[in-house]
Amino acid sequence: QVQLVQSGAEVKKPGASVRVSCKASGYTFSSSAIHWVRQAPGQGLEWMGWINAANGNTKYSQKFQGRVTLTRDTSASTAHMELNSLKSEDTAVYYCARVDLPGVVAILDYWGQGTLVTVSS
Amino acid sequence: DIQLTQSPSSLSASVEDRVTITCRTSQSISTYLNWYQQKPGKAPKLLIYAASSLQSGVPSRFSGSGSGTDFTLTISSLQPEDFAIYYCQQTYTTPWTFGQGTKVEIK
Repeated sequence: QVQLVQSGAEVKKPGASVRVSCKASGYTFSSSAIHWVRQAPGQGLEWMGWINAANGNTKYSQKFQGRVTLTRDTSASTAHMELNSLKSEDTAVYYCARVDLPGVVAILDYWGQGTLVTVSS
Repeated sequence: DIQLTQSPSSLSASVEDRVTITCRTSQSISTYLNWYQQKPGKAPKLLIYAASSLQSGVPSRFSGSGSGTDFTLTISSLQPEDFAIYYCQQTYTTPWTFGQGTKVEIK
């Protein structure tokens, strides 16, 4: 069965960087795109960007452009999200989610369990 | 960015009630509209895609409709496991955006 398993919770100081991993299993990793969505405590969902697992092409939300980097390791079926220059407002649960390619419609059909990133001095 | 406005922001309903949630977008998005359900401490779960298509494994009491700028999620007979927060999402253009959520609570 399709699974996305994310790395564990992180506590970081303002100005630091964080890297969250998302390991895929149960399907052909290179036939997907991995999207990243975050959710601040008690708040709604915010899309950050996506990476094509086959060719590594990326698209970022303008809000995070220059601060976020998405990468993937096809040999490990794993996607990574690195966020730099952390601020307290970046405290959130970060989710990875899959879009099956080539799909007729782009839908986030499987999600990771979420990774809590806490930014605090 | 395309803005999505859900209404109501919250509602109280009883088991077996019919519940309707609306999502209005700031510009036309054809049917590039999905609905998700989220329970506390869990990742969102896809319910409806392309405005009206039921995701595999989702109970048939969930349905979606609409196109352009106005969309609706309907739960025909609310069940205890349906108490959650519901989000609409557009995939017409990046950045993909979500509505602010509708919390469905027990009356």
